[in-house]
Amino acid sequence: RKEVEQDPGPFNVPEGATVAFNCTYSNSASQSFFWYRQDCRKEPKLLMSVYSSGNEDGRFTAQLNRASQYISLLIRDSKLSDSATYLCVATPPRGTSYGKLTFGQGTILTVHP
Amino acid sequence: EAQVTQNPRYLITVTGKKLTVTCSQNMNHEYMSWYRQDPGLGLRQIYYSMNVEVTDKGDVPEGYKVSRKEKRNFPLILESPSPNQTSLYFCASSVGHPSSYEQYFGPGTRLTVT
Repeated sequence: RKEVEQDPGPFNVPEGATVAFNCTYSNSASQSFFWYRQDCRKEPKLLMSVYSSGNEDGRFTAQLNRASQYISLLIRDSKLSDSATYLCVATPPRGTSYGKLTFGQGTILTVHP
Repeated sequence: EAQVTQNPRYLITVTGKKLTVTCSQNMNHEYMSWYRQDPGLGLRQIYYSMNVEVTDKGDVPEGYKVSRKEKRNFPLILESPSPNQTSLYFCASSVGHPSSYEQYFGPGTRLTVT
């Protein structure tokens, strides 16, 4: 089983739709989680951190479910500009390989008019 | 402007010809890292560095070397490139440990090994 897994999609949704992605992780002791956004052939950029209590930033909501070992990203009222690849990241617990980061393979989202 | 720079941005080379991809950040970040990105495999970490003279392997270190002699620079060295190292490479840095801080990525280096 991969350490961090995402449904690669692609997800094709119309403008205004609500879309959700999940990302599962295999190490139950993973410490921190993030969502990054990557536009085509560009560098990834941080979208949001994922907190235990869940967090919201405008149209974006991130949730963490430690019992089932997954994080989620919900996008409401999708815009054309939301079209991108969304990458989830898990960081290991303190100890050996503490600086290692594991990314999921990314979920492709296309928002169409 | 705060940024991570990589050079070259594009490189086509032949099997076995040693090459170095440079990475430099001007934000006084402690943590730096190299990734490769391949279709269907996502971003995979090659090496990372927690600080000067401290480096460690990521998930795919075979065929690569790194050094961290200065805080701002973290070059990636391919001693004998092979075609399976054809990929898009990203360097990234963060002010501290990545579990707590945002990663800032460079613009990427597209490497083709023939």
